[in-house]
Amino acid sequence: KQEVTQIPAALSVPEGENLVLNCSFTDSAIYNLQWFRQDPGKGLTSLLLIQSSQREQTSGRLNASLDKSSGRSTLYIAASQPGDSATYLCAVGGYNTNAGKSTFGDGTTLTVKP
Amino acid sequence: EAGVTQFPSHSVIEKGQTVTLRCDPISGHDNLYWYRRVMGKEIKFLLHFVKESKQDESGMPNNRFLAERTGGTYSTLKVQPAELEDSGVYFCASSRNRLVSSYNEQFFGPGTRLTVL
Repeated sequence: KQEVTQIPAALSVPEGENLVLNCSFTDSAIYNLQWFRQDPGKGLTSLLLIQSSQREQTSGRLNASLDKSSGRSTLYIAASQPGDSATYLCAVGGYNTNAGKSTFGDGTTLTVKP
Repeated sequence: EAGVTQFPSHSVIEKGQTVTLRCDPISGHDNLYWYRRVMGKEIKFLLHFVKESKQDESGMPNNRFLAERTGGTYSTLKVQPAELEDSGVYFCASSRNRLVSSYNEQFFGPGTRLTVL
């Protein structure tokens, strides 16, 4: 059974800092890994999708890496802004019989202070 | 392109009543997923449709939950009868074709917040 853990649970940083969010998973047989952000009371917005054959993906100030062998992914946010404040969720897509099913972590709540 | 939509956005019902949630996926997306987050817990998978067929319903908690996707377009999730522990946020997501890896990105709707009193 896949288990996904995100550390830290909460993070508060001053504006302009670079930061790293961590996601670890127990079963390395994954199909993909997707990072989302969720604003309070809203749905999930897809940030980056990394296929199992890829090592990283980049979009603007965001960079996500994937190391399947160690069961880890990181989301790097450069030059953080107050608008980045949200909960960030990591979701691991299953493989074989579980293909299509994603397992989520609890999320990291980020606060960027002006 | 319109995103995934869900209706209603909020629902408050009494224990024992029936509620039906609706999800309209992105047009052309064969895959439709239901997830839910109950209080204090992580988002958990409920089931996965490929077109009108249930591909995986291993996350459905019990037989009080019934999901349908007639015609392979929109989907409904019915809870009958609702219990207190069913309260939470129910999310729907869709993706194109999971067998084409670049199409496996899941797009989520805003969720339906269900409160059972």
